[in-house]
Amino acid sequence: AQKITQTQPGMFVQEKEAVTLDCTYDTSDQSYGLFWYKQPSSGEMIFLIYQGSYDEQNATEGRYSLNFQKARKSANLVISASQLGDSAMYFCAMREPLPNFGNEKLTFGTGTRLTIIP
Amino acid sequence: DADVTQTPRNRITKTGKRIMLECSQTKGHDRMYWYRQDPGLGLRLIYYSFDVKDINKGEISDGYSVSRQAQAKFSLSLESAIPNQTALYFCATGSGTGELFFGEGSRLTVL
Repeated sequence: AQKITQTQPGMFVQEKEAVTLDCTYDTSDQSYGLFWYKQPSSGEMIFLIYQGSYDEQNATEGRYSLNFQKARKSANLVISASQLGDSAMYFCAMREPLPNFGNEKLTFGTGTRLTIIP
Repeated sequence: DADVTQTPRNRITKTGKRIMLECSQTKGHDRMYWYRQDPGLGLRLIYYSFDVKDINKGEISDGYSVSRQAQAKFSLSLESAIPNQTALYFCATGSGTGELFFGEGSRLTVL
């Protein structure tokens, strides 16, 4: 079963508008973390924002915020005032524990390709 | 200089050839990972290592092997490359907080 689901393969948004990228997750763990990464056309993976499962407030980093709804198991990324440079692939990821105690991995969603229209 | 360096960045090879992708890091992290990215599939974990003596298979390890030569070096090998191993490969390191620090990727094409 897919643990991270991104239902929007692609999105087109007008420049300066806000955009929400959806992410839902599935876990039975009480302690977990959610991440968003950006991948521009050049290919590198850029960390954007992190939300811990025990964090009571939604994470924010500049124009990025994470709309964390724990009961719904959703962790949507909100980009305010979108810019042309925001055009990229965006991945949601969840930290999962591994059998080796104290170690973990990231499980990724399939990504959303965001295109900002001038 | 990048904290996580992958070589080669691009490689075209033929079916049946042996290929090694190398990764080195200067972040001092114990955790190192190899991921593979395919269009529409996101990133999938191939192998991971938590120290020099610890190597673990990820979800898609068949056809791949790894070597952790030192804390800072983690290599991925394709013993006999096949076309469906054409993909973008990422090495990553982790500090234990969950966040991963990625290399710039190695694009491999198998003809």
